[in-house]
Amino acid sequence: GDSVTQMEGPVTLSEEAFLTINCTYTATGYPSLFWYVQYPGEGLQLLLKATKADDKGSNKGFEATYRKETTSFHLEKGSVQVSDSAVYFCALRPSGGATNKLIFGTGTLLAVQP
Amino acid sequence: ETGVTQTPRHLVMGMTNKKSLKCEQHLGHNAMYWYKQSAKKPLELMFVYSLEERVENNSVPSRFSPECPNSSHLFLHLHTLQPEDSALYLCASSQVVRGKGGYTFGSGTRLTVV
Repeated sequence: GDSVTQMEGPVTLSEEAFLTINCTYTATGYPSLFWYVQYPGEGLQLLLKATKADDKGSNKGFEATYRKETTSFHLEKGSVQVSDSAVYFCALRPSGGATNKLIFGTGTLLAVQP
Repeated sequence: ETGVTQTPRHLVMGMTNKKSLKCEQHLGHNAMYWYKQSAKKPLELMFVYSLEERVENNSVPSRFSPECPNSSHLFLHLHTLQPEDSALYLCASSQVVRGKGGYTFGSGTRLTVV
């Protein structure tokens, strides 16, 4: 079945460091891909998305490019801040279907130190 | 209030208790979801309601019983739970239009079964 695999955390970085969180997926057809972020004590919030191959999603300095050839959607940010500390979830929405369900990865904890 | 509201935020219950989790959305969405979030595991989709009908039930034990009385409210009734059911339970809603529409999540209910 469809699935998402994320790099295990925690990822610990110093402020202004470059961030990459890897995400690969298994799915038939052309799923839509998402990154969600969960700050402590809160629910998940949509960070960015891409709906077709070669699309780049971006928001708040974060970027991810939908790579069909490598089935990947890696999250990047050029200069992280302490306020970026959170859990990041990669997710896919299978193509077709009527329920709009999302399939999530395990989440990657990012800790940014001043 | 706007967004998705979940109550209670925290719940401790014994294995013989019966309790209910509540989710309310004020976004005019037509689909609602229950997810279970456990440490080091992907978010597990439990139930999907679309237009107030349950359209997905992912092999969830019968000790979890969902109810969707209208498009704005979703409940998860709990009885005779096990310690391994301790987790963060997240509710989400979306507007399903030909399989599209992003999720809005609540902050979750942290459940501890003792």
